[in-house]
Amino acid sequence: EVQLLESGGGLVQPGGSLRLSCTASGFTFSSYAMSWVRQAPGKGLEWVSSVSTTGDNTYYADSVKGRFTISRDNSKKTLYLQMNSLRGEDTALYFCVWGGGNSFDYWGQGTLVTVSS
Amino acid sequence: ERLMTQSPATLSVSPGERATLSCRASQSVSSNLAWYQQKPGQAPRLLIHGASTRATGIPVRFSGSGSGTEFILSISSLQSEDLAVYYCQQYDEWPLTFGQGTRLEIK
Repeated sequence: EVQLLESGGGLVQPGGSLRLSCTASGFTFSSYAMSWVRQAPGKGLEWVSSVSTTGDNTYYADSVKGRFTISRDNSKKTLYLQMNSLRGEDTALYFCVWGGGNSFDYWGQGTLVTVSS
Repeated sequence: ERLMTQSPATLSVSPGERATLSCRASQSVSSNLAWYQQKPGQAPRLLIHGASTRATGIPVRFSGSGSGTEFILSISSLQSEDLAVYYCQQYDEWPLTFGQGTRLEIK
């Protein structure tokens, strides 16, 4: 069974930083691109970032480019999202997702990030 | 950027009837389109990829069609458990983009 477990969310002040993690199980993590997708409260889905199988290629939404960094550790089966210079509009539920550059086949339950003073 | 537009915003359908949801792309996305179902309080679930291929475990009453810029998600014989928001997503080009969603209500 595919499982994606996110962690690292919380309350942070504007301008602050957070690092999200996603631990994967139930599939060969190193063989698949991975992504982060977010959902602001009461809103729709927004793709944030994707990373290739090796981590060599990364892609970002314009809204987070230059502030967020996606990475992965295949030995630990873990995906990361380093978020810097956080803004109120970054407040959302962040989903770890299997896939990137194609359909998003499996989703975690999400971790909530709240940016507020 | 490929802008994805879904219609209607809200759809109300009686149990047992068919629901038809639309998704339009601002430019051709070929067949690189997926549909997702998000039930209240849950993470999204992949329903359809490649515009018309059901994902693993998805009931046959869900079907997708279309290519290029016009796509349809059909749900035949609607059930109460189908209450959800449905999103389309294109993966033809970066950035990956979603439609704004269609809320499906059960009459």
